[in-house]
Formats: sequence, C-alpha cells, structure tokens
Amino acid sequence: GQNIDQPTEMTATEGAIVQINCTYQTSGFNGLFWYQQHAGEAPTFLSYNVLDGLEEIGRFSSFLSRSKGYSYLLLKELQMKDSASYLCAFMDSNYQLIWGAGTKLIIKP
Amino acid sequence: GAVVSQHPSWVICKSGTSVKIECRSLDFQATTMFWYRQFPKQSLMLMATSNEGSKATYEQGVEKDKFLINHASLTLSTLTVTSAHPEDSSFYICSAKAGGPAETQYFGPGTRLLVL
Repeated sequence: GQNIDQPTEMTATEGAIVQINCTYQTSGFNGLFWYQQHAGEAPTFLSYNVLDGLEEIGRFSSFLSRSKGYSYLLLKELQMKDSASYLCAFMDSNYQLIWGAGTKLIIKP
Repeated sequence: GAVVSQHPSWVICKSGTSVKIECRSLDFQATTMFWYRQFPKQSLMLMATSNEGSKATYEQGVEKDKFLINHASLTLSTLTVTSAHPEDSSFYICSAKAGGPAETQYFGPGTRLLVL
C-alpha cells in the first residue's frame, strides 16, 4: 500500500532552525515535493527531490533518502512569515501526487 | 515561474444554485489540470484530474454529475458545482502542470465557496 506521514504541528523560535520530517511507503516513486501553505491560501511549490541528497533553496533545504523512504525540509534563520503548514507529497508510479496531511509550523518571537 | 489563476476567489450562493469556477494557466500550456478540495484544518483532497480535450478522471467518492469539469483548452479548465448545498462549502483549489507527467504542479490561489 501507500502511505505518507509527517508531524501534525511543530513550534520553533524566530531565528532558529527547524527540521520537518516526512516518511512514506510506496512501491512506485517518481519524486517528492514540498509545498508551503499559509492559512487561507493555496499551496506554493518549494522543492522537488527525485534523487537522494540535499537540495538547497535559499534558507530552505530539502533532503531525500529513497532507500529509507524519508525526506526532510530544513528551514534556517526562521522568520515570522515562515509560520505556515508544510505539505510533503510523493509522486507514485502513476505520476499522481499522494499528499501528507501537512505540518503546521508555529514560529514564536 | 508558472502562474495559475482562479476566478472567482470568493463565492456566496443560495442552496440549489450552480457555481462555475475557472482555472487558467497564464504563462504556460497546461497538459493536465487538477481540482482539489480542502476543508478547514484538513489536508488537500484530490477531486479529479483533467487532460485537455478528454473527460476528467474522478477520484473515488466524487460525484461526476455534481462536479462537472471541462478542460476545453490548454490554458483553461472549469469546475461547475451543480445544485450546490451547504455541505459543498469548501476551499476549491486547482493546479496545473505542463509537459510530462513528472512535472511540478502549480496551484491557483483557490476559490472559497459558501453555500447558504
């Protein structure tokens, strides 16, 4: 079967670093996506990993280990505007996105 | 980057009426468009996938006759909620991707539907 899991909520301090983990199980895999969704808004694309390793996107980095079915999104130098939900999703063998429920990140001053 | 627009952004309607939502890819041709629904504090739920010029593929549990999808061109897809009821009130979001099946999906800003 297929499943994907990420923590429901995390809290971090402005200026700090936070890592949001995502684990998945699937027989067919065509990459993993991270999206950011602010409250009341649609998701916006952050990153795409299809090979193992780290992708850096400004203050954000996304990591993938296909053998472990594991990804994380690392956010550095946290700003208040980073308060949002972060959605991970993998693309299965039919190229359909399977979405996690999202991690709500709360940034405190 | 790829830009996707949706119109309208807000709809309030009476129960029993039909509502049409437009999704447009502004700076690319979208071979595939997706329609999602999201209830408050819940995850995205894929409703249907549509390819230009062909019938949409609906997810299990989504009524085809209630949620009519038309993808008439490579830049426009429409979702019509027919005979809307209060339980259809939700946040409807479209996304679009160009090129091959592994391309990134880009989301429109979403449409909030409130059925009274």
